[in-house]
Amino acid sequence: AQSVSQHNHHVILSEAASLELGCNYSYGGTVNLFWYVQYPGQHLQLLLKYFSGDPLVKGIKGFEAEFIKSKFSFNLRKPSVQWSDTAEYFCAAKGEYGNKLVFGAGTILRVKS
Amino acid sequence: DTEVTQTPKHLVMGMTNKKSLKCEQHMGHRAMYWYKQKAKKPPELMFVYSYEKLSINESVPSRFSPECPNSSLLNLHLHALQPEDSALYLCASSRGPWDGDYGYTFGSGTRLTVV
Repeated sequence: AQSVSQHNHHVILSEAASLELGCNYSYGGTVNLFWYVQYPGQHLQLLLKYFSGDPLVKGIKGFEAEFIKSKFSFNLRKPSVQWSDTAEYFCAAKGEYGNKLVFGAGTILRVKS
Repeated sequence: DTEVTQTPKHLVMGMTNKKSLKCEQHMGHRAMYWYKQKAKKPPELMFVYSYEKLSINESVPSRFSPECPNSSLLNLHLHALQPEDSALYLCASSRGPWDGDYGYTFGSGTRLTVV
C-alpha cells in the first residue's frame, strides 16, 4: 500500500538553527513528492514539489528538499529558521499517473525567538 | 484567479440536518478533491472527481454525497452525520490527473461541527 511516513511529530528549534524534517515514502513505480505547510489557522500551502530531474528541489521561503531514490526519502531542509516558520509541515506523495495524494502524519515545528 | 474558495467557513449542524459544503475554482482545473482533516491529523482523501466524473471514493459512508455540477464547482452534501464526523473539510483542485502539472491548490476549508 502507498504510504508516507514522517519521522518527527514535534520539533522545537531556536531561531537561526538549521532544520531538517524527514520523510520516507513507500510506493511502487515513479512517485511525485510534495511538501506542504499549514500555518496556524490557515490553509495548506505548497512549499515545493519534485517530479523528475534535479533531485535537489528549491521551494519558497528558503526551503529545499532532496530526493534520494535509494533511500525512498524526500527530506525538507532550511539553513536558518525564523520564528515565522512555526507551522505544521506535511510530506505528501502520489504515483506518477494517479491523482490520489497521500499525506504523512505531519511535523509540528515550533521556532523559539 | 488562483484560489480555491470554500463556503461556508464554519458550519454547525445537528445529526438530523441536511447541509451542503461548496467549493469553487476558476483556474480551469479538471480534477477536484475532498479531504477530511481531524484535529492533529493529516488530511485524508475522501473523493476525487476527474473531468466532472467521480473517479475515487475512499470507502466514504453514504451520509457524505459528493456532486460535481460543472468543472468549476464541487459540492459535498451532508445528511445524518455523527459527532465523529466533526472535522475540517478541505477542497483541492489540480489542473488534471494526467497532464504535466501535478500541483494541488487547497482551499481554506470548512470547519464542521456536528452536535
